[in-house]
Amino acid sequence: EPEVTQTPSHQVTQMGQEVILRCVPISNHLYFYWYRQILGQKVEFLVSFYNNEISEKSEIFDDQFSVERPDGSNFTLKIRSTKLEDSAMYFCASTSPAGGSYNEQFFGPGTRLTVL
Amino acid sequence: GDSVTQMEGPVTLSEEAFLTINCTYTATGYPSLFWYVQYPGEGLQLLLKATKADDKGSNKGFEATYRKETTSFHLEKGSVQVSDSAVYFCALGGTASKLTFGTGTRLQVTL
Repeated sequence: EPEVTQTPSHQVTQMGQEVILRCVPISNHLYFYWYRQILGQKVEFLVSFYNNEISEKSEIFDDQFSVERPDGSNFTLKIRSTKLEDSAMYFCASTSPAGGSYNEQFFGPGTRLTVL
Repeated sequence: GDSVTQMEGPVTLSEEAFLTINCTYTATGYPSLFWYVQYPGEGLQLLLKATKADDKGSNKGFEATYRKETTSFHLEKGSVQVSDSAVYFCALGGTASKLTFGTGTRLQVTL
């Protein structure tokens, strides 16, 4: 069964450093998402991406964040200068709506980011 | 904006007990409603969904009915198993749009 994969599973970084979180969505999907979950809190939407551009973003997704689909398979989230409060589990998801009906968003296993 | 409210956990039940996890929502328009499950160390998996009022979603013995009049989507299972121990998230969303999640409810089932 196709699945969304994410690397690394755990990333530890120093405050102020740049990190890139990587995701490989399901190959025939068209919409891609990043969510995050701070420990003990709810899963929060960060950004959605379609047709090589951002389609929606939350207030969390400020200028420190960027997304890219560099090669038609990977989907990356970059944080330019990490802060302590960026420590969270980051989930990638993808879906492929067809005919206007909702299709399931498939989630990856997550990358745990720890900022020291 | 849209929001989802779930009952606080953890919920601890004995095997074969009846489960209810409450979920209510606030939304503009007519969103679809979902229950996702997160097993320890894993990502989020869709458990069930309902796309319009009065729809009932069901999977693996779990059920939830989309109640527009009470803006609710409560998750139920008649007889839980130890293997159901996980965190359950209620969520709402539209076609290709973001999902808005509740805070999650941890279920612990004991023998």
